[in-house]
Amino acid sequence: QVQFEQSGAEVKKPGASVRVSCKASGYRFTSYAMHWVRQAPGQGPEWMGWINIGNGNTKYSEKFQNRLTISRDTSATTTYMELSSLTSEDTAVYYCARENVRQIDYWGQGTLVTVSS
Amino acid sequence: QSALTQPPSASGSPGQSVTISCAGTSSDVGNYKYVSWYQQHPGKAPKLIIYEVSQRPSGVPDRFSGSKSGDTASLTVSGLQAEDEGDYYCSSYAGSHTLVFGGGTKLTVL
Repeated sequence: QVQFEQSGAEVKKPGASVRVSCKASGYRFTSYAMHWVRQAPGQGPEWMGWINIGNGNTKYSEKFQNRLTISRDTSATTTYMELSSLTSEDTAVYYCARENVRQIDYWGQGTLVTVSS
Repeated sequence: QSALTQPPSASGSPGQSVTISCAGTSSDVGNYKYVSWYQQHPGKAPKLIIYEVSQRPSGVPDRFSGSKSGDTASLTVSGLQAEDEGDYYCSSYAGSHTLVFGGGTKLTVL
């Protein structure tokens, strides 16, 4: 079955960077694109960016354009999300999610990133 | 790219039906058939319950149904059950590999 194993919770200081990993299993990794979505406490999901797993092409939300990097390692069936210049407003649960025909069909379990001095 | 608009709350008694709206624009909901709905319980990841406006994934009860008219999509939950209580989010494809989400609706089963 389709599964995603995300890395563990992180606590970061303002100005730092965070890298979250997402290991996929249960399907052909290179056949599906991936999205990263975050959800701040008590808020709805917020789309961050997309990666074509096959060729590595990416698309980022304009909100994160200058400080977000999404990458993948096909040999490890893993996708990565790195967000830099963190502020308290980046405190949220970060999800990787698989795209199936322009919609998300499966989500990772989420990774809590807390930004606090 | 603004968030889709959902009512913050909805409620109904067991057995009743409730409909949740999701208002977008001609750039997202109104322009694509790729509207999906997710159910989320506290501390859990969202779960897909409707895709392509009105399609149900395998295993999702037929009590859940979706529709769209113009720039607004809707999710109807019929025959409400206690386990339907949770947060519901809509999402739409918005072109160029981008997605947009709604702010969420908290469904309470009275």
